[in-house]
Amino acid sequence: QKEVEQNSGPLSVPEGAIASLNCTYSDRGSQSFFWYRQYSGKSPELIMFIYSNGDKEDGRFTAQLNKASQYVSLLIRDSQPSDSATYLCAVRGDYKLSFGAGTTVTVRA
Amino acid sequence: SAVISQKPSRDICQRGTSLTIQCQVDSQVTMMFWYRQQPGQSLTLIATANQGSEATYESGFVIDKFPISRPNLTFSTLTVSNMSPEDSSIYLCSVDEGITEAFFGQGTRLTVV
Repeated sequence: QKEVEQNSGPLSVPEGAIASLNCTYSDRGSQSFFWYRQYSGKSPELIMFIYSNGDKEDGRFTAQLNKASQYVSLLIRDSQPSDSATYLCAVRGDYKLSFGAGTTVTVRA
Repeated sequence: SAVISQKPSRDICQRGTSLTIQCQVDSQVTMMFWYRQQPGQSLTLIATANQGSEATYESGFVIDKFPISRPNLTFSTLTVSNMSPEDSSIYLCSVDEGITEAFFGQGTRLTVV
C-alpha cells in the first residue's frame, strides 16, 4: 500500500478554536483524498472527500488539497467537544484506499 | 449513500477456531473491501472481494487464513481461520461509490482467548 503520513498527535485544542490536521502522501498518481472521523470503539465515518486542488468547505470542516506538494489538510473551525475523536486521512491511487495512522484530537471545554 | 450491515458486531472466540463475518449492502456495489484495525492502529487492507472470482489479497494476507466469498454484488463474507490472540482486532467491511466516496460497516470486534 502507498505511504500516507499524518501529523503526530494527540492534538489538544480549546473549545471554539481551529484544529488543523495535516497529511502527506507518497503516490503522486493519487486521485482522491478522504478524511474520516473515528470515535473510540466505532467504525470510521466519512467527513470529507476532495479530489481537486484548492479548498472544499462543508459546515465547520474545510479540506485543502495541494497535489504539487502532495499534501492534504483538514481544518475544523469552532471546535466542539463532540469533535474529540481520531481523524484518519485516506488516499486513493488506483482503486484502493491507503490510510494514515490517524491523529487524535481532544477538544477541551 | 449505501447502508452496510455487518455482523456479528463482536465476538469472543477460542484460539484455533474460525469466525465468519458477514457484510450486507442495501444496493449493488462493484467494489467491496475488508480491512483490519488492530488495537491502537490504523486500518490495513486485507483484500478486495471480487464478485464471481477469487479475492485479491494484500501483502501479508493469505487466502488460507482469511478466505473471502463474494457470491453477488450485495454480500460478502470474511472468515478468520485458526485464530490466535494476534487476530484480536476490529474487522471492517467497506464499499465504494465511485471514486469520491467510501463507506464502512459498523465493524466486528474480535477477541481471541
